Amino acid sequence: FMLTQPHSVSESPGKTVTISCTGSSGSIATNYVQWYQQRPGSAPTVVIYEDHRRPSGVPDRFTGSIDTSSNSASLTISGLKTEDEADYYCQSYDSSTHWVFGGGTKLTVL
Amino acid sequence: QVHLVQSGAEVKKPGASMKVSCKTSGYKFTDFYMHWLRQAPGQGLEWMGRINPNSGATTFAQPFQGRLTVTTDTSITTSYMELNRLTSDDTAVYFCAREVSGGSSHFDFWGQGTLVTVSS
Repeated sequence: FMLTQPHSVSESPGKTVTISCTGSSGSIATNYVQWYQQRPGSAPTVVIYEDHRRPSGVPDRFTGSIDTSSNSASLTISGLKTEDEADYYCQSYDSSTHWVFGGGTKLTVL
Repeated sequence: QVHLVQSGAEVKKPGASMKVSCKTSGYKFTDFYMHWLRQAPGQGLEWMGRINPNSGATTFAQPFQGRLTVTTDTSITTSYMELNRLTSDDTAVYFCAREVSGGSSHFDFWGQGTLVTVSS
């Protein structure tokens, strides 16, 4: 089981960007999808868990969703700020490969 | 507050072993699974394995089976990750991470990471 993300995305401050995460097999809805933000030199932090839930402290500009028709999950960040510039990883679980991460997407806010 | 503090950076020779520690505080150690992950330079996150600190039961990713050992010392609320037969491909930052209880299978707290460089 694999999760595929775009290598990079870029958008201007104040705009909205969406990062996709496509499952290779089965249904993306079978197990929860999480999204982690990782800034250079730091450990990842979760920004979305259980497909769409936000941990306390994560602004509501961050939204997670699942689209079963495309077998994909998405992270949408609205009102982009320069501080959102980071790598973003989706993560899910599979009974054979266990904890699985997407390859990561580098978000550039310029 | 919850804290996971890892041991410092290491340099190892090919063929050697590495052992990284993850000292926890701020929560009941035996109530949460502990995971180990790694990130090679410029690459993505790779899950390695996990341990149930209460029972000691482990689960490992297939690429690491046979050369990865994960243990805990509940008396000092610390987890250890040992990887044997190192090659240059094992050069990476290694993270410990706590799994959230309740079935969503994600990680809510992470250690700061430990850089291990494998070089002759």
